[in-house]
Amino acid sequence: ILNVEQSPQSLHVQEGDSTNFTCSFPSSNFYALHWYRWETAKSPEALFVMTLNGDEKKKGRISATLNTKEGYSYLYIKGSQPEDSATYLCALNAGNNRKLIWGLGTSLAVNP
Amino acid sequence: AAGVIQSPRHLIKEKRETATLKCYPIPRHDTVYWYQQGPGQDPQFLISFYEKMQSDKGSIPDRFSAQQFSDYHSELNMSSLELGDSALYFCASSSGTGGFPEQFFGPGTRLTVL
Repeated sequence: ILNVEQSPQSLHVQEGDSTNFTCSFPSSNFYALHWYRWETAKSPEALFVMTLNGDEKKKGRISATLNTKEGYSYLYIKGSQPEDSATYLCALNAGNNRKLIWGLGTSLAVNP
Repeated sequence: AAGVIQSPRHLIKEKRETATLKCYPIPRHDTVYWYQQGPGQDPQFLISFYEKMQSDKGSIPDRFSAQQFSDYHSELNMSSLELGDSALYFCASSSGTGGFPEQFFGPGTRLTVL
C-alpha cells in the first residue's frame, strides 16, 4: 500500500510568519507530485505539479521544492496572511496514469 | 471562467436506496475523475474516464458504477447504499493526452445515508 504522508497535521501561525510543511512519499513510485490548496466550503485548487528532482515552483508567496531521490516535497509560505488559512494537500502520481494518491493534508490557520 | 459543475450539491438517502451523482467537466476537458472523502479522511480516488472510456480504477465498490457520456459529463451511480457511503464526493476534470495535468475540482456532492 502506497502512503503519502504530510506533516504537521495542523499548524497555527501569526500573520507575517513564514512557514513550511512536508509531504513524504515512496521515492520508488514517483511520477509526479501535486500540491492543492483547499479552503473550507470550497473545492481543492491546484497550486503546483512537479515532476523533476530538484524542481522548484513559485506562485506569489507560495513555493515548493521536490526531492524525488529521498521522497519528499516542501511547501513554503512566506509572510503568511489570514487568507492563506486552508488545508494544503499533496498528491502523488505513483504510476504512468493520472490516478492520484492523496495525503491527509496540513491544516494551516493564520491568526491576524 | 467555467468550472466543474456537480449536482446535486446535497443528497440525503436511506439505506439500500440508490443515488446518482452528476458531473459536468470544464468545456474541452476530456478526463473526469471521481473521489470520495469520508469524514476526517483523505480523498480516495474512485474511478476516472478519458474520452468516454474508463481510464483508471481505484477503490470503487462493486455497488457503484460510473460512465462518461458523449457530451463528456459523467454520472456516478450508487446502489444498495450503506451508512458508510456518507461522504463528500468530488468530481474533477483535466485536459491533455499526456503528462500529469492539474485537476480542476467541482464543489462536491455531500451524500448523507440515513
